[in-house]
Amino acid sequence: DSGVTQTPKHLITATGQRVTLRCSPRSGDLSVYWYQQSLDQGLQFLIQYYNGEERAKGNILERFSAQQFPDLHSELNLSSLELGDSALYFCASSVATGVRLSDTQYFGPGTRLTVL
Amino acid sequence: GEDVEQSLFLSVREGDSSVINCTYTDSSSTYLYWYKQEPGAGLQLLTYIFSNMDMKQDQRLTVLLNKKDKHLSLRIADTQTGDSAIYFCAERNNNAGNMLTFGGGTRLMVKP
Repeated sequence: DSGVTQTPKHLITATGQRVTLRCSPRSGDLSVYWYQQSLDQGLQFLIQYYNGEERAKGNILERFSAQQFPDLHSELNLSSLELGDSALYFCASSVATGVRLSDTQYFGPGTRLTVL
Repeated sequence: GEDVEQSLFLSVREGDSSVINCTYTDSSSTYLYWYKQEPGAGLQLLTYIFSNMDMKQDQRLTVLLNKKDKHLSLRIADTQTGDSAIYFCAERNNNAGNMLTFGGGTRLMVKP
């Protein structure tokens, strides 16, 4: 158990809908990262938040957004869902911004999103 | 650009050693990681290595880094059936934030 929790574990929805995925980082970690794992794209970095502020952005679609709250949990919002958004979405956390070795990322169990 | 490559599949017999290979292209990579993913589970950090190190050993795991050839390997000694999983290598480049760039994963199958 990495200490990173994600809810829900599974999510099934229809095209065009909007969903919210939730992540709670390890105790003491200030950074949260979101990754998408799909069969065709593999594991891709989406976005990083550090202490409530966006820190880095990867291949995140404009239909997707995220935020980190004062209690440091994070939510990933996916809207206007398409079939191709079906994937496993991972959250990871680290202590700080990610420059030091101690900023190793620990991953949650993931949320499996199925868009029908 | 960053690109991390791994072979797709490796099959070994229980008790043998497994060697999983990874190549990367970004010479600015500072840290390299190995993660393990079991079916239906998340990514478990196995080990990591600094880019200025050649080797790191941690119990049954040995990581070798050839920085000149941009080649990373993970050796698992005395492989057990419980080691069956997908293994991902990942690089982190501090010049590009803290994002991890992952390889496609190597599926390790251990036969009894």
